[in-house]
Amino acid sequence: NAGVTQTPKFQVLKTGQSMTLQCAQDMNHEYMSWYRQDPGMGLRLIHYSVGAGITDQGEVPNGYNVSRSTTEDFPLRLLSAAPSQTSVYFCASSYSSRRSSYNSPLHFGNGTRLTVT
Amino acid sequence: KNEVEQSPQNLTAQEGEFITINCSYSVGISALHWLQQHPGGGIVSLFMLSSGKKKHGRLIATINIQEKHSSLHITASHPRDSAVYICAVAHSGGSNYKLTFGKGTLLTVNP
Repeated sequence: NAGVTQTPKFQVLKTGQSMTLQCAQDMNHEYMSWYRQDPGMGLRLIHYSVGAGITDQGEVPNGYNVSRSTTEDFPLRLLSAAPSQTSVYFCASSYSSRRSSYNSPLHFGNGTRLTVT
Repeated sequence: KNEVEQSPQNLTAQEGEFITINCSYSVGISALHWLQQHPGGGIVSLFMLSSGKKKHGRLIATINIQEKHSSLHITASHPRDSAVYICAVAHSGGSNYKLTFGKGTLLTVNP
């Protein structure tokens, strides 16, 4: 199993450009999520999904879009990049039934370091 | 006030010392996670617990639901334990899929 795969590892964008951060997992996990990590702030939840076709907003969703067309993939789209979106982005997944509380260990990708100039 | 508070923010220890990192939270939770992040960024899940105590090798995690407090202990610390340790809580009730993270504790273990 590859686990959680994030691409790219590094990306530089100009203000106003759009891009998609890719996240894929091969563990048949229902729960997938995106976080950003900024110095002094800790990890903050951007969007999450509890299964294919279901997404919801986290703590800092503005400027980001997600979709979950398959169980395996959960891409994060930056619609119009801004310098405030310079951060390290992590995708994570876990096995978590929609019928029960969140109660499974998290598996993280290796992160994407994004710089917006 | 943050929903998840960790202490200390920074911790320096000598090899072999017993380490304790604390996490306090102010919301109802369904589970609490302890994560480890080494320099270079990768994040690894150490424990997930909703009650009592768990042990894995030299690491022990405890949680007191009534006091809304968890501790991560490292026995016989080693320089390879140097990392940032992060506490995260899964909210209970309708928001039970949302995770809130502490800011992390930077642990440095000197040889």
